[in-house]
Amino acid sequence: DAGVIQSPRHEVTEMGQEVTLRCKPISGHDYLFWYRQTMMRGLELLIYFNNNVPIDDSGMPEDRFSAKMPNASFSTLKIQPSEPRDSAVYFCASSFVVQETQYFGPGTRLLVL
Amino acid sequence: AQSVTQLDSHVSVSEGTPVLLRCNYSSSYSPSLFWYVQHPNKGLQLLLKYTSAATLVKGINGFEAEFKKSETSFHLTKPSAHMSDAAEYFCVVSDGVLARSNTGKLIFGQGTTLQVKP
Repeated sequence: DAGVIQSPRHEVTEMGQEVTLRCKPISGHDYLFWYRQTMMRGLELLIYFNNNVPIDDSGMPEDRFSAKMPNASFSTLKIQPSEPRDSAVYFCASSFVVQETQYFGPGTRLLVL
Repeated sequence: AQSVTQLDSHVSVSEGTPVLLRCNYSSSYSPSLFWYVQHPNKGLQLLLKYTSAATLVKGINGFEAEFKKSETSFHLTKPSAHMSDAAEYFCVVSDGVLARSNTGKLIFGQGTTLQVKP
């Protein structure tokens, strides 16, 4: 398996623009997680899905953030409008069962100017 | 509630000397514990995990960790550091499978940066 795939790997945008991050989990994994990593706050869980259904979105910082999982092999994290404080590395991870090993993608490095 | 504390934000060792990265956890139930490693500009990779089997867990690249319930610790060790071990290491805890408050969440420590000097 190719592992968790994320795109783009790097994104530079201007404040106010819409940003869409994409993730393809490992085939057969029922859980998908979105994380954000910053120097100040470390690694934070934003939202996770089970069988394409959002289970816990309590980590989503604001209404500007939204996530979808239209099918088992694809998820998006959208920021609209983006702000400079959204600059971070966003990771997607997937796992076969809850609480077991999560496999992380390489991350998307987002810079909002 | 579950929590994890990595006692050192930065550890520096010389190549060929032992590595010790310390982690204490708090969990109301039987926890699952993990160590992940993150090399610069890379994603997180699982080093090892504890899930209530043997208390001494062996992982990749010569790392191992010992689960000590009495001390609520899960320290990561390696007998001899290699330059390629320089990275950030995360100790992670989750609820046990039978936990009533099973949320599916992993709780990450703040990370320990390991520097390996030649």
